[in-house]
Amino acid sequence: AQSVTQLGSHVSVSEGALVLLRCNYSSSVPPYLFWYVQYPNQGLQLLLKYTSAATLVKGINGFEAEFKKSETSFHLTKPSAHMSDAAEYFCAVSDRKFDMRFGAGTRLTVKP
Amino acid sequence: NAGVTQTPKFRVLKTGQSMTLLCAQDMNHEYMYWYRQDPGMGLRLIHYSVGEGTTAKGEVPDGYNVSRLKKQNFLLGLESAAPSQTSVYFCASSYDDRVGHGYTFGSGTRLTVV
Repeated sequence: AQSVTQLGSHVSVSEGALVLLRCNYSSSVPPYLFWYVQYPNQGLQLLLKYTSAATLVKGINGFEAEFKKSETSFHLTKPSAHMSDAAEYFCAVSDRKFDMRFGAGTRLTVKP
Repeated sequence: NAGVTQTPKFRVLKTGQSMTLLCAQDMNHEYMYWYRQDPGMGLRLIHYSVGEGTTAKGEVPDGYNVSRLKKQNFLLGLESAAPSQTSVYFCASSYDDRVGHGYTFGSGTRLTVV
């Protein structure tokens, strides 16, 4: 069955530093991969998605992710963290209709 | 444009009580979903609907019932609440059933069962 594993439940970076949130997936067929962000007391918002068109996917707010089939990874990065990036981030995989599986989430803290 | 609206936002129930969570979307989406979010476990699909009058079980359907009498509304019911159902519940919708389309989420209902 498809699944995702997010490495690190908490990540802390300084403002201006590189953000790297890790996601590895498991799927028996070519998957579609997503990153969602959840701000406090809000629902999830789609940051970006991989649908096989390009391995490097750019999303909103300066985030991007690279699909690496050989490593079964879809890590999320941002070159320079901003205080407003503090949130919880979820990686998700879907390889069939009506079945999107989410990781456990990574809480990002940005220190001034 | 409200998107996906969930009511109520917070609720405390006693064990054995029943309640209904309402999800409403104004985007004319065909597909709707109910998830629960628990610490360290991410989101898990409870039930989903592929159109008015249809429902289907997801990953963790036990203890819940759903109904989709109108296209814009998707109701989640707990007939006899249990402490294990303490969670944050999210409703989502999508306009396309093809794999690869993202979902639009509501802001959640935080339910505590005591």
